[in-house]
Amino acid sequence: LAKTTQPISMDSYEGQEVNITCSHNNIATNDYITWYQQFPSQGPRFIIQGYKTKVTNEVASLFIPADRKSSTLSLPRVSLSDTAVYYCLVVGGYQKVTFGIGTKLQVIP
Amino acid sequence: KAGVTQTPRYLIKTRGQQVTLSCSPISGHRSVSWYQQTPGQGLQFLFEYFSETQRNKGNFPGRFSGRQFSNSRSEMNVSTLELGDSALYLCASSLDGSSNTEAFFGQGTRLTVV
Repeated sequence: LAKTTQPISMDSYEGQEVNITCSHNNIATNDYITWYQQFPSQGPRFIIQGYKTKVTNEVASLFIPADRKSSTLSLPRVSLSDTAVYYCLVVGGYQKVTFGIGTKLQVIP
Repeated sequence: KAGVTQTPRYLIKTRGQQVTLSCSPISGHRSVSWYQQTPGQGLQFLFEYFSETQRNKGNFPGRFSGRQFSNSRSEMNVSTLELGDSALYLCASSLDGSSNTEAFFGQGTRLTVV
């Protein structure tokens, strides 16, 4: 299983772009990079997934460099409702999915 | 379509008792995973079931067990409850549990052991 490292917490002002970087130096060839968001007392919610280069959806963008040893989740123009914990997962095949501690993002008015 | 349903939402048990939690996955999903979440420990993987078979297992003692039925509904059981078992228990379902399919989580069951 690829181990991931991400900041424990981040603060951002409303309206700013937030970038959360995740390191996964021993990512395997068949591993995908997936990000989830979790609000207090709720289950995590899928945000975005990618394998390489850049992926964008209506919520976020995911940047993955060529060596795939890291990835960056980009949230454009955050609002107070984006305050949550964000998890970076690296999993391949049918391996067990481990979430870890995640990054607690606090959006400040 | 209906989401993942977990029952009950809240539960209070006494040390030494046992408890059974239920998870109904999204229709058509065959993989169900269970997680324990406590403050400071994040989400910890318990086990995953696919087609009634446990396919993956986390590092939890044998007091934690689970099963999956032919309709993909799953239950997890914790025997001889300890105070440290107090947590939010989450289940997630996905089509087949592969890494490139999205997992959908339920609201969780909040277990308090007193």
